[in-house]
Amino acid sequence: AQSVTQLGSHVSVSEGALVLLRCNYSSSVPPYLFWYVQYPNQGLQLLLKYTTGATLVKGINGFEAEFKKSETSFHLTKPSAHMSDAAEYFCAVSEGGGTSYGKLTFGQGTILTVHP
Amino acid sequence: GAVVSQHPSWVICKSGTSVKIECRSLDFQATTMFWYRQFPKQSLMLMATSNEGSKATYEQGVEKDKFLINHASLTLSTLTVTSAHPEDSSFYICSARHWTGEGYGYTFGSGTRLTVV
Repeated sequence: AQSVTQLGSHVSVSEGALVLLRCNYSSSVPPYLFWYVQYPNQGLQLLLKYTTGATLVKGINGFEAEFKKSETSFHLTKPSAHMSDAAEYFCAVSEGGGTSYGKLTFGQGTILTVHP
Repeated sequence: GAVVSQHPSWVICKSGTSVKIECRSLDFQATTMFWYRQFPKQSLMLMATSNEGSKATYEQGVEKDKFLINHASLTLSTLTVTSAHPEDSSFYICSARHWTGEGYGYTFGSGTRLTVV
């Protein structure tokens, strides 16, 4: 079984400040991990993903995330927030095997607000 | 890159009617398509998984007779909400799974806002 917990349903930062969105996962097999962004009334856009290899993953729009197996975490960061980053962010896990093979399980989502 | 086209973007229908939502993979073959439902200010909940040429697998609690899924070709999957009622109003999103060479990738459609009146 797999699950995802995003700590904090709302995060508010100032423009130019560090963005940190937290994600912890549970998986019975080595996971694939994803971060997606969703703007209102739109689908999901992939920011980055971890499958294997390097644990620090760089994505689009200056975002990056680090896979920490010992902490079962995959937190998303961006050094300097832009107004255009305001959106909802979803962390997701997919198992490479087992009964949940290939299915994405999403966290509850974190709404990021960026104020001037 | 992989693109999934979802139509319509929004639809309003009367109670008791049926609505069909289409998802097409434009530049790749989607052997597996996932259908999600998203309530306001909530996360995506997986409704069903469809594999081309076979019956869809529904998640627990999802009525298969109400949410009909067809995946007859490698580029098209459809979700039909039958005898829709106001409680079916929601945002529906499809996602196609494809192999990227480094593992599976998931490309999402733009979503369909269904309002049943």
